[in-house]
Amino acid sequence: DAKTTQPNSMESNEEEPVHLPCNHSTISGTDYIHWYRQLPSQGPEYVIHGLTSNVNNRMASLAIAEDRKSSTLILHRATLRDAAVYYCILNGNEKLTFGTGTRLTIIP
Amino acid sequence: DTGVSQDPRHKITKRGQNVTFRCDPISEHNRLYWYRQTLGQGPEFLTYFQNEAQLEKSRLLSDRFSAERPKGSFSTLEIQRTEQGDSAMYLCASSLGTRYNEQFFGPGTRLTVL
Repeated sequence: DAKTTQPNSMESNEEEPVHLPCNHSTISGTDYIHWYRQLPSQGPEYVIHGLTSNVNNRMASLAIAEDRKSSTLILHRATLRDAAVYYCILNGNEKLTFGTGTRLTIIP
Repeated sequence: DTGVSQDPRHKITKRGQNVTFRCDPISEHNRLYWYRQTLGQGPEFLTYFQNEAQLEKSRLLSDRFSAERPKGSFSTLEIQRTEQGDSAMYLCASSLGTRYNEQFFGPGTRLTVL
């Protein structure tokens, strides 16, 4: 599976937007970009996924670069409940290959 | 609650003992996955089922590990002759059936091998 690169950690103030970057320079044409998050002491939770176009859902937005070599997960208004580890995953086959993700800390 | 459930949530065992974990997926999901997560790391894929057929196994799944999904419903993961290195969180997930479908994870079973 192609590899993703994410910052180890990020901080954001409560009620402000958060932009979580992910680099995936070796992405293949059929790889979907998935984002999951894992809150403390819970299993991972699906956030959003996309292929080429930007995507929006109730949780977040996903902005995908035109060359697809990077993407950004956008939380429009962070709350304390958004504190979690966020994983960017290229889904080229059945299994999910998690990296170490970005630990997001929300500052009240 | 119609989410993925796992039992037990916690298991403490002595080295050399056998343990078995159960996962109940979301009822209409035909894909079921097992992952393992150690502290500070992301989950690692172990194996997955399409209905009752086990379609892929990771190299992480040694001969001491066996998984089943009889009748394509719940699944069990058994570890024989446990070792301290088996201590981890074991996560189960299910999905509707394509790689584009989101996987829904259970809360996990935390195994501690003394």
